[in-house]
Amino acid sequence: KNEVEQSPQNLTAQEGEFITINCSYSVGISALHWLQQHPGGGIVSLFMLSSGKKKHGRLIATINIQEKHSSLHITASHPRDSAVYICAAYTGTASKLTFGTGTRLQVTL
Amino acid sequence: GAVVSQHPSWVICKSGTSVKIECRSLDFQATTMFWYRQFPKQSLMLMATSNEGSKATYEQGVEKDKFLINHASLTLSTLTVTSAHPEDSSFYICSALGVAKDYEQYFGPGTRLTVT
Repeated sequence: KNEVEQSPQNLTAQEGEFITINCSYSVGISALHWLQQHPGGGIVSLFMLSSGKKKHGRLIATINIQEKHSSLHITASHPRDSAVYICAAYTGTASKLTFGTGTRLQVTL
Repeated sequence: GAVVSQHPSWVICKSGTSVKIECRSLDFQATTMFWYRQFPKQSLMLMATSNEGSKATYEQGVEKDKFLINHASLTLSTLTVTSAHPEDSSFYICSALGVAKDYEQYFGPGTRLTVT
């Protein structure tokens, strides 16, 4: 079992839908990244959070340290949101990241 | 702020040659940089941790003589793939931890290596 699990693995949504991607982890962490990767592209960090909630435009990230769970929400989804979303947690020392397997999102018109 | 660049963005080389990939933190100093490898449709795999002025720490199963890492300054780390083979073809991504930002990794755009 991976230390960082994501669900769903694949997600298809219609434009305008509200999307939630979940991340759960089984070890203690100090912070967690939500990352975005478009096909053939590099990694973009959307959020880093260690508690509570952060919002940027149509994106919202929440984390519940006690429940070892984080969610990424996309409101009013758009085809340009189609990408792989990865949660990655700082699980140990030396600021190393442990990555989830990613959620492949496809938003259609 | 917190921009990390990689050069080249893509490279094609012949089997047996060596390829150097640069990772630079453009607007901050990075005591630590990380090198990752990503296979198609898979997540990132940490190859090594690069610390300025000292030897890199390689993850289990990564050949240090194959993947040479040099972190000669607070803004530059290089990864050299020596005697490249087709199985080394992959997407290589670096990230940097800032001295002042000490906790968050900032990712470079990646370098796609194809070995023919």
